This record gives sequence, C-alpha cells and structure tokens, in this order.
Amino acid sequence: QKEVEQNSGPLSVPEGAIASLNCTYSDRGSQSFFWYRQYSGKSPELIMFIYSNGDKEDGRFTAQLNKASQYVSLLIRDSQPSDSATYLCAVTHRGSTLGRLYFGRGTQLTVWP
Amino acid sequence: GAGVSQSPSNKVTEKGKDVELRCDPISGHTALYWYRQSLGQGLEFLIYFQGNSAPDKSGLPSDRFSAERTGGSVSTLTIQRTQQEDSAVYLCASSLGRGQYFGPGTRLLVL
Repeated sequence: QKEVEQNSGPLSVPEGAIASLNCTYSDRGSQSFFWYRQYSGKSPELIMFIYSNGDKEDGRFTAQLNKASQYVSLLIRDSQPSDSATYLCAVTHRGSTLGRLYFGRGTQLTVWP
Repeated sequence: GAGVSQSPSNKVTEKGKDVELRCDPISGHTALYWYRQSLGQGLEFLIYFQGNSAPDKSGLPSDRFSAERTGGSVSTLTIQRTQQEDSAVYLCASSLGRGQYFGPGTRLLVL
C-alpha cells in the first residue's frame, strides 16, 4: 500500500509566523514530491516540487526532502491570511515523474491576523 | 497561457442516467489524469493517459466508469447508470513531467 500521511490539522499560526507542514510516505521508491494548495471550493494548485534531498526555496516557500527518513515538509515564511488553505502533499513512485500522484489527505492551515 | 479546462462546471443528473465529463489539457502536455474528490475527502485517482501508451485504469471504481482520450488531447470521462455515491468533484490534470496542473473540476450531483 502506497501511503502518504499528513497531520490533518487544523494548524493555526499568527500572521508573520513560520508555518511548518509535514508529510511522510511509505514507499521508499518514491521519486518526486509535490506540494499543492487548495482553497475551499477550488481545485489544487501546484506550489512546489522537489526531487532531491535537501532544501528548495521559492519565495516564501521552502520544501525540504529527506529520503532516508521518507519525510518531506513545506515551510511558509512570513505567513499571510491569504495562505489559509488546505495543503496537500503528493508523491510519484519509482521510475517516473509522470506517473499518477498519491495524495495525502491534506493539512488545513489557518493564518490569523 | 491557457490552463486545463473542464466542462460542464456543474452537472445535476438523476440516478441511473449516463453522464459525460470533458477535459481539455494544457496544449503540449502528454500526460492526462482524472481524479475525484468527495466532500471533505482526499483526492482519489481514477485513470491516467500518457501519450500513445495503454492507459492506467487501476483507479476506476467500477465498470460503470470509462474514459478515452482522442488524438492525444481532449479526454472524456463517462459514468454509466450513475449512483448517488458518484456525487463528487471530478478533477482533470495534465502534465509534461514537472507536476500536474489541475482544471477547475466538474461538480457532479446525482439525485
């Protein structure tokens, strides 16, 4: 069973703080890792992808990958109320960046002013 | 540029009727995916098309569900003899290998 686990939350942080979202996956063969943001009533929006161990930064977002621990995280710096959404972790598996995505259930983030 | 488009945006149907949902992927994207999301639930994979390869149908929940992709572009998901448990948002995504980009979805309600 290829599982992707996330804390469902809700995670609540004040405006300007760092929000830390975590994800673990069960298949050691996982190749590609994605973070999506989903606002209520909307479709998922790709915000980050990471393939290699370490950190990848894009603006206020940093994705961190540790394949040995089968762990991927998303840090949001200087959190804004507009960041309030559900964040979905997704992985592909061995040998493909184009294969189906396995999604976690998502972590609901609330940033309060 | 244009993103993934889906139609209709909303569909209400009666139990037992057939429905067709359409997806128009981002131009040039070789991979196309269908997922569904029930209220408050996670994303459930349905089917995946990649180029001219045989589709991965492993996520289709029953033989009432089928999909095709014509000319490597537009895809249609067909649900026959709809049931109330088919009510969900059906999401289409396309990719060229650096993440999947989702359309706005079709919200299906089976009465």
